[in-house]
Amino acid sequence: DIQMTQSPSTLSVSVGDRVTITCRASQNINMWLAWYQQKPGKAPKLLIYKASFLDLGVPSRFSGSGFGTEFSLSISSLQPDDFATYYCQQYNPYSPYTFGQGTNLEIK
Amino acid sequence: EVQLVQSGAEVRKPGEPLKISCKGFGYTFTKYWIGWMRQMPGKGLEWMGSIYPGDSETKYSPSFEGQATISVDKSINTAYLQWSGLKASDTAIYYCARLNLPMVPFDFWGQGTLVSVSS
Repeated sequence: DIQMTQSPSTLSVSVGDRVTITCRASQNINMWLAWYQQKPGKAPKLLIYKASFLDLGVPSRFSGSGFGTEFSLSISSLQPDDFATYYCQQYNPYSPYTFGQGTNLEIK
Repeated sequence: EVQLVQSGAEVRKPGEPLKISCKGFGYTFTKYWIGWMRQMPGKGLEWMGSIYPGDSETKYSPSFEGQATISVDKSINTAYLQWSGLKASDTAIYYCARLNLPMVPFDFWGQGTLVSVSS
């Protein structure tokens, strides 16, 4: 299986901060990378697919980048609604899907 | 509006069978894969497997092969996840989600089904 490693596991941030979360794949996944946001007690929500494409309705302060094995999710100016846990997921068509372990954004 | 509606929370004893469901609304159910994910208490997401309702083709994660069974009844737009004999370690929230392949992964999610297994 392809292992997905996110860093950091926890990030203490303030409203207005710029935030970057990274995700590393154990092997090349081209652009088959998605990012999800999950709030406590809720289902995950798709933010970004194919490494850099924003899903419909996702605010433009979110952006994704990367290719191959190194990826990142950035939030340009953190809003109160953005405090949540974020997961990366690889969906390489030739491998079982796998998620990163998650990054929790907490209030500093 | 696309919706996936899952069955309600379940409490079972170890060794008991269970089948939970995920019903799709607002789109052509047979044209999109449905995936199942596990989230153990306080932990991350794990993909268990996926099914294509059009022909019932199923793919499992090697970690979950043989642990649970995914099936579908396309006549009622419903996918299922079932266990023949639950273990305490099956306690988790289970999510279904639609796959919008090839470009988009899990774009719509069910609300989750909490399964609690305890003696």
